[in-house]
Amino acid sequence: NAGVTQTPKFQVLKTGQSMTLQCAQDMNHEYMSWYRQDPGMGLRLIHYSVGAGITDQGEVPNGYNVSRSTTEDFPLRLLSAAPSQTSVYFCASSPLLNTEAFFGQGTRLTVV
Amino acid sequence: AQTVTQSQPEMSVQEAETVTLSCTYDTSESDYYLFWYKQPPSRQMILVIRQEAYKQQNATENRFSVNFQKAAKSFSLKISDSQLGDAAMYFCAYRSPPQGGSEKLVFGKGMKLTVNP
Repeated sequence: NAGVTQTPKFQVLKTGQSMTLQCAQDMNHEYMSWYRQDPGMGLRLIHYSVGAGITDQGEVPNGYNVSRSTTEDFPLRLLSAAPSQTSVYFCASSPLLNTEAFFGQGTRLTVV
Repeated sequence: AQTVTQSQPEMSVQEAETVTLSCTYDTSESDYYLFWYKQPPSRQMILVIRQEAYKQQNATENRFSVNFQKAAKSFSLKISDSQLGDAAMYFCAYRSPPQGGSEKLVFGKGMKLTVNP
């Protein structure tokens, strides 16, 4: 069972470039979310989704877009990368009525 | 908005001893879930233990146990017989119940635990 798969694991972008971080889960979980982790800041919620076609903003949504066209996939788009978006990004999923969140292995993104 | 506070950024413990990590949270809800996650240097987020707010009994998982004080909004983690493999970042997290699609998982800033041999 693959669980939550994030790609890529590492990425370097130039300021102004765009890219998509991929997240896929094979557990048929309804709830998916994206976090960024910065030193001393913990994990901060960027966007989340409670099902296909439904997304909402978290704590730090600016500069990021998401969509949820299928239950399995929840990509995170950076439209115009900025150095402030240098971070480690985590995708997580869970059944809506369950409690445990399953995490991907993270993507380390550097914007230069 | 719900918030989670971990006031100690770093702690250390001697191998085989006991350490307690503190966490407080703020919420107006009566039904919710609390978690402790561990993040070793591999970066993987690992669930250590969870507590349902409606349960008065404190959760335990082998060497890990919690002290859940609902009225005080406190949720501390006790690690007994500390092992070198317990060295990691520890995050306290709060999950609101599913209500109209507003379910969220909110984390504290984390605490770095060092285990000394």
